Amino acid sequence: EVQLVESGGGLVKPGSSLKLSCVASGFTFSSYGMHWIRQAPKKGLEWIALIYYDSSNKYYADSVKGRFTISRDNSKNTLYLEMNSLRSEDTAMYYCAKSPLAYWGQGTLVTVSS
Amino acid sequence: DVVMTQTPVSLSLAIGQPASISCKSSQSLLGTSGKTFLNWILQRPGQSPKRLIYQVSKLYSEVPDRFSGSGSETEFTLKISRVEAEDLGVYYCWQGTHFPLTFGSGTKLEIK
Repeated sequence: EVQLVESGGGLVKPGSSLKLSCVASGFTFSSYGMHWIRQAPKKGLEWIALIYYDSSNKYYADSVKGRFTISRDNSKNTLYLEMNSLRSEDTAMYYCAKSPLAYWGQGTLVTVSS
Repeated sequence: DVVMTQTPVSLSLAIGQPASISCKSSQSLLGTSGKTFLNWILQRPGQSPKRLIYQVSKLYSEVPDRFSGSGSETEFTLKISRVEAEDLGVYYCWQGTHFPLTFGSGTKLEIK
């Protein structure tokens, strides 16, 4: 059974940093691209980043480019999202998903507020 | 970016009624591979999204066959032949042909 478990969310102040993790199981993690998608409270879904199976390519939404970094450690079956210079508009539930968004984690909530 | 426009915003249907959701894209979703990466997902209340349909009309194995998808280029439709209680939630179309991936704004299905 495919499982994706996110962690690392929390309440932080504007301008601060946070690193999210997503631990994968139930499939060969090193063979699949992985995504981060977020959902602001009571809002729709926004794709924010993709990393290829071998980290050879990374893509970002314009809204996070230069502030967020996606990475992975295939030896630990773990996907990461490093978030810097956080803003109030980054407040959202953050989901990791296995390509092609076929499986989603339960999400981790990031709240950016002073 | 490709804009995905979903209609209606909400649906209120009784059990057993059919449902139809439209999704229109601002550009053709036919890729250079000849495949069209238009997909549907369902987010039930309080849950993370779940997969339903990929490449316009292909149902994932666990999805009941009362669901169907159709369309091409820029116009797509999700249909439920007979709504059941477990179908309530927000349906999103999303495209994976062009970067960035983009989602429709969602259609909320309520059960009368």
